[in-house]
Amino acid sequence: ETGVTQSPTHLIKTRGQQVTLRCSSQSGHNTVSWYQQALGQGPQFIFQYYREEENGRGNFPPRFSGLQFPNYSSELNVNALELDDSALYLCASSPPGDFLIQETQYFGPGTRLLVL
Amino acid sequence: AQSVTQLGSHVSVSEGALVLLRCNYSSSVPPYLFWYVQYPNQGLQLLLKYTTGATLVKGINGFEAEFKKSETSFHLTKPSAHMSDAAEYFCAVRAHTGGFKTIFGAGTRLFVKA
Repeated sequence: ETGVTQSPTHLIKTRGQQVTLRCSSQSGHNTVSWYQQALGQGPQFIFQYYREEENGRGNFPPRFSGLQFPNYSSELNVNALELDDSALYLCASSPPGDFLIQETQYFGPGTRLLVL
Repeated sequence: AQSVTQLGSHVSVSEGALVLLRCNYSSSVPPYLFWYVQYPNQGLQLLLKYTTGATLVKGINGFEAEFKKSETSFHLTKPSAHMSDAAEYFCAVRAHTGGFKTIFGAGTRLFVKA
């Protein structure tokens, strides 16, 4: 069984640019969440997608947006990059089922973004 | 609002010694509780979780944690540290409803001395 994969592994951008990060969910998982982990900090929840619709959002501005595709893969898009956007971006997928029952998220290895 | 506090950003133990990583949470109702481990340049791996039932939870690699509602704590322990346990550990909470939004603590880096 293939786990959660993310691409690219590393990325360097300059301030003001736009970036797209990609995530392939674990087989059969229909929910994906994105987290930002700044250096030396814990991950912070960005948003969650369930069946191709955003279904929960953390305290991040609208320039952070996402997509989930019919095959449940996902993208995180960040516009107008700022220096503080430099971080490890983690994707996590979860299997189908009632949110009250399914508690396990499976994390990918992350994409490390550096904004200069 | 939920929050997680991990006491001690760095913990150092000798190989074979007891590992104790502290976690306290704040939540209006007892949430789901998790411990994750992160090795350098890797994603998060679930060590163990508490949802309902027995308050002493056993996880992988010999780790266990006890949910204490009265103390709002979920401390992680391992009787005997191994060099391979050196990593960053994150305590996390999630509400019983509202999807998978998970609140993480700031993390505790565990050092294991030979």
